[in-house]
Amino acid sequence: SQTIHQWPATLVQPVGSPLSLECTVEGTSNPNLYWYRQAAGRGLQLLFYSVGIGQISSEVPQNLSASRPQDRQFILSSKKLLLSDSGFYLCAGLESAGGRETQYFGPGTRLLVL
Amino acid sequence: DAKTTQPTSMDCAEGRAANLPCNHSTISGNEYVYWYRQIHSQGPQYIIHGLKNNETNEMASLIITEDRKSSTLILPHATLRDTAVYYCIVSNNFNKFYFGSGTKLNVKP
Repeated sequence: SQTIHQWPATLVQPVGSPLSLECTVEGTSNPNLYWYRQAAGRGLQLLFYSVGIGQISSEVPQNLSASRPQDRQFILSSKKLLLSDSGFYLCAGLESAGGRETQYFGPGTRLLVL
Repeated sequence: DAKTTQPTSMDCAEGRAANLPCNHSTISGNEYVYWYRQIHSQGPQYIIHGLKNNETNEMASLIITEDRKSSTLILPHATLRDTAVYYCIVSNNFNKFYFGSGTKLNVKP
């Protein structure tokens, strides 16, 4: 089964600074990958998904962008962070097992913008 | 995707069965019912999913009504470590996989 790695685990950044969060996957090739954000006390919001290298779909307009430079690497970025970008960022991968697909999540990165 | 409705919170005594309901009255024929849980400060964890038949695995059982408009996740013997937010999701497309607010399950000693 696949394993999702994310880093850093926590991050404190000033408003207006850039952001780069990395997600890597092991145990599978060419997975669908996803970025979610979770505001405090809320459910998960799907931000981006990617079905392959260089292929990014955005779910909501926002201050963030995503890139997939390699098969097993998915990066979330921002040129200038806003206070509203604070939250818990989760990367997920899609895995097929026994003819069924399920989504598996990484440990997340907690971002605080001050 | 079909919307789901879950209670905001539930309590369960340790060792007893926890039955978590989910309403999905607008579910379409090819949409699966998925259950995930999120323990505080961790990423969501997959529990179980099904289409129309009841399902069971090492973590839980999923009971889907015959009309598929509702389902129940059953944790047969809840432990303190099962305290978490439980999400019910209905989808046929992981690229459109929406998590709601879920049910906060509090397992009490």
